[in-house]
Amino acid sequence: GEDVEQSLFLSVREGDSSVINCTYTDSSSTYLYWYKQEPGAGLQLLTYIFSNMDMKQDQRLTVLLNKKDKHLSLRIADTQTGDSAIYFCAESLRGSQGNLIFGKGTKLSVKP
Amino acid sequence: IAGITQAPTSQILAAGRRMTLRCTQDMRHNAMYWYRQDLGLGLRLIHYSNTAGTTGKGEVPDGYSVSRANTDDFPLTLASAVPSQTSVYFCASTLESGSYNEQFFGPGTRLTVL
Repeated sequence: GEDVEQSLFLSVREGDSSVINCTYTDSSSTYLYWYKQEPGAGLQLLTYIFSNMDMKQDQRLTVLLNKKDKHLSLRIADTQTGDSAIYFCAESLRGSQGNLIFGKGTKLSVKP
Repeated sequence: IAGITQAPTSQILAAGRRMTLRCTQDMRHNAMYWYRQDLGLGLRLIHYSNTAGTTGKGEVPDGYSVSRANTDDFPLTLASAVPSQTSVYFCASTLESGSYNEQFFGPGTRLTVL
């Protein structure tokens, strides 16, 4: 069945790079997403990657996709205290009517 | 309103009571979703609706019902609340259900069932 896994916690110092990892099991994924949840708020789409791409860069964010290993990562360069949040990896599957499968979320803590 | 709103913001409810969580969006999105978020379990889909007049069951539908009488509103009803339904509930919407699915989330409803 479908499953998306992430480590639950990550702690970095301000100015360092953060790398959040995600693995998924279903090879029929069409799009993979990173959502960000700030304290007390709903989720917001941060970035996404189509399954036929290997990499996508958007300002401080770099998404890497390794389809062979079914591994997705999100790198945040020059991490700031405002990046402290929970980051969710999600996938949409071909034929699933677009329903998303979310990971459990990685809580990123940025220390000054 | 702009975007997606939920009401109430929070609620404490006695077990056995009936409760409806409200969700409204003004983006003319066709698809809407209800999730619950629990510590250590992430987001789990309760019910969804791909278009007005249709609904479907998600991963954890038991104890919940939904309706989609129009495009804008997607209420979630707990017919007889139980303590295990204590959670934070998020409503979300997207323009069209399909391969690319950017979902827009409401601010959430924190529900405590005693």
